[in-house]
Amino acid sequence: DTGVSQDPRHKITKRGQNVTFRCDPISEHNRLYWYRQTLGQGPEFLTYFQNEAQLEKSRLLSDRFSAERPKGSFSTLEIQRTEQGDSAMYLCASSLAQGEEEKLFFGSGTQLSVL
Amino acid sequence: GESVGLHLPTLSVQEGDNSIINCAYSNSASDYFIWYKQESGKGPQFIIDIRSNMDKRQGQRVTVLLNKTVKHLSLQIAATQPGDSAVYFCAENILNDYKLSFGAGTTVTVRA
Repeated sequence: DTGVSQDPRHKITKRGQNVTFRCDPISEHNRLYWYRQTLGQGPEFLTYFQNEAQLEKSRLLSDRFSAERPKGSFSTLEIQRTEQGDSAMYLCASSLAQGEEEKLFFGSGTQLSVL
Repeated sequence: GESVGLHLPTLSVQEGDNSIINCAYSNSASDYFIWYKQESGKGPQFIIDIRSNMDKRQGQRVTVLLNKTVKHLSLQIAATQPGDSAVYFCAENILNDYKLSFGAGTTVTVRA
């Protein structure tokens, strides 16, 4: 499978615990994005990387959230001290920044449930 | 004058009929648009895109129409099939920007 891969697919945690999600983008893609999607809504932008550099973070990303892409390949998204409001689908996407049009290819997401 | 399609959160279509899904976008500076299809438990899947210097683009069984005057986008699916049942999102961005903004989705249900 050469698409965007996310792990785990589902995560159930108790409030206050830390969780970490992993994303493996399409191998030749240099941009990697994290989005969050709640039930019935479209995905909302959280942050993005160009290679290993994190270039922007949305205001949705509180200081409990941190994302890394240490070698410009896979990325991790960590949520510390989880809250019930963090329950959502966390989607990763990647793209090849080439020319003006940028098609994002999404993984299947990690569904987080905070109890 | 030209009518503007309303965005509907759900759409029920008879198998074999054509579907039209509407989307109103918000940013007049947006110049690149994408339609995504999302099936249950999966991430959004790219369907078709269009730049603002075009008003129509066709793919396999799909056509996207863009009306910049009224900031309206539509996706037409020809001969709708059961496998087309999903949530459809339009997304917009400004070229060379990196953030896609997604609209409210439309849930399409295909009746056999």
